[in-house]
Amino acid sequence: EVQLLQSGGGLIQPGGSLRLSCAASGFSFSNHAMSWVRQAPGKGLEWVSGISGSGGSTYYADSVKGRFTISRDNSMKILYLQMHGLTAEDTALYYCARDHGRQFLRWFDPWGQGTLVTVSS
Amino acid sequence: DIVMTQSPDSLPVSLGERATINCKSSQSVLYSSNNVNYLAWYQQKPGQPPKLLIYWASTRESGVPDRFSGSGSGTDFTLTISSLQAEDVAVYYCQQYYTPLYTFGQGTKLEIK
Repeated sequence: EVQLLQSGGGLIQPGGSLRLSCAASGFSFSNHAMSWVRQAPGKGLEWVSGISGSGGSTYYADSVKGRFTISRDNSMKILYLQMHGLTAEDTALYYCARDHGRQFLRWFDPWGQGTLVTVSS
Repeated sequence: DIVMTQSPDSLPVSLGERATINCKSSQSVLYSSNNVNYLAWYQQKPGQPPKLLIYWASTRESGVPDRFSGSGSGTDFTLTISSLQAEDVAVYYCQQYYTPLYTFGQGTKLEIK
């Protein structure tokens, strides 16, 4: 069974840093691009960042560029999102999602269960 | 970035009736090289992650009931539920994957009238 198990969320003060993890199982991890998508409380979906299957290509939404870094460990089958300079606007439920393809330009399926990041003093 | 705009924001529909959700992209998501539309639809129920319904604008994901269908091309797309069931109450999102800077519509909340 294809599964994405997320961890690493929590309460963090403004300006702080946090790393999210997404452990994959049940599929060939390196054959799929992966993304992070977030959802602020009561709001819609916002794509945050994506990384190719090899890890050689990465993309970021303007709202997080320069503050967030996406990476992956294909040997451990884990996706990461390192977040710095967090603000209240980053408060959201963060989902990892598997891209159907190896090099982007495909739909997301499946999605992780989500991990909540709350930025507050 | 490609902006995705859905309409309406909220849609009350009676059980057994047809529900139609629209999605418009700020530029075409039709790839001329393969004549395929790079658009997906997702369903999100409260407390759950989104679930894939439709990809390539009109291809139903395995296991999705055939009352769900997608149509459209270029910049204008539609998700149709032919006969609304109680379990279809959810928020629906369209998403373009024409560029790796993916974008979603703002969502349409489907409810029972």
